Amino acid sequence: QVQLQESGPGLVKPSETLSLTCTVSGYSISINYYWGWIRQPPGKGLEWIGSIYHYGNTYYNPSLKSRVTISLHTSKNQFSLNLSSVTAADTAVYYCARHDFGDFDWGQGTLVTVSS
Amino acid sequence: NFMLTQPHSVSESPGKTVIISCTGSSGRIASNYVQWYQQRPGSAPTTVIYENNQRPSGVPDRFSGSIDSSSNSASLTISGLKTEDEADYYCQSYGSSNWVFGGGTKLTVL
Repeated sequence: QVQLQESGPGLVKPSETLSLTCTVSGYSISINYYWGWIRQPPGKGLEWIGSIYHYGNTYYNPSLKSRVTISLHTSKNQFSLNLSSVTAADTAVYYCARHDFGDFDWGQGTLVTVSS
Repeated sequence: NFMLTQPHSVSESPGKTVIISCTGSSGRIASNYVQWYQQRPGSAPTTVIYENNQRPSGVPDRFSGSIDSSSNSASLTISGLKTEDEADYYCQSYGSSNWVFGGGTKLTVL
């Protein structure tokens, strides 16, 4: 059974880059599936940020595309999210997930606060 | 861009049936699978319906999903409501090279 765990700083300063890593266990990220990031601002709904296919093709939410980079790190069975030029509006719980065109398998999420 | 619209909130009494709708903004919602997730406060979402109408193991058969092509919408039906069903519910699908979530529906069981 696949398990996903997010890690990274819980506090990021405005204008800096938010960087998170998702460590996957129980499945090799190089075999199949899309590997994605979703966020949820406090008290609000879910927003898909972007995903990377196991071949390395990337897909980003148009509203965030100019600031987002998602990468695979197959030797460590991890994938990562970089979100640049953050503002307070980027404060959210960030989830990583394994998915295809159906179901998402979720990590537990990590809260990232943008504040000086 | 493809969008999914849900009612902000619904409420119903224990033992009753509630239907939560999810309407696609364009195209044919039947062209791609629709999933439904339940989210309780402080927890990650969990799947209650995947691939339009499939239930993961462990999800009671009180939960069912359907697609109505004529209205370009999907529905989550929860019958025999229990207080433990009170949660936020999100629909999710794919369109225009994007994965999309609905805005979420807060279900109150009172």
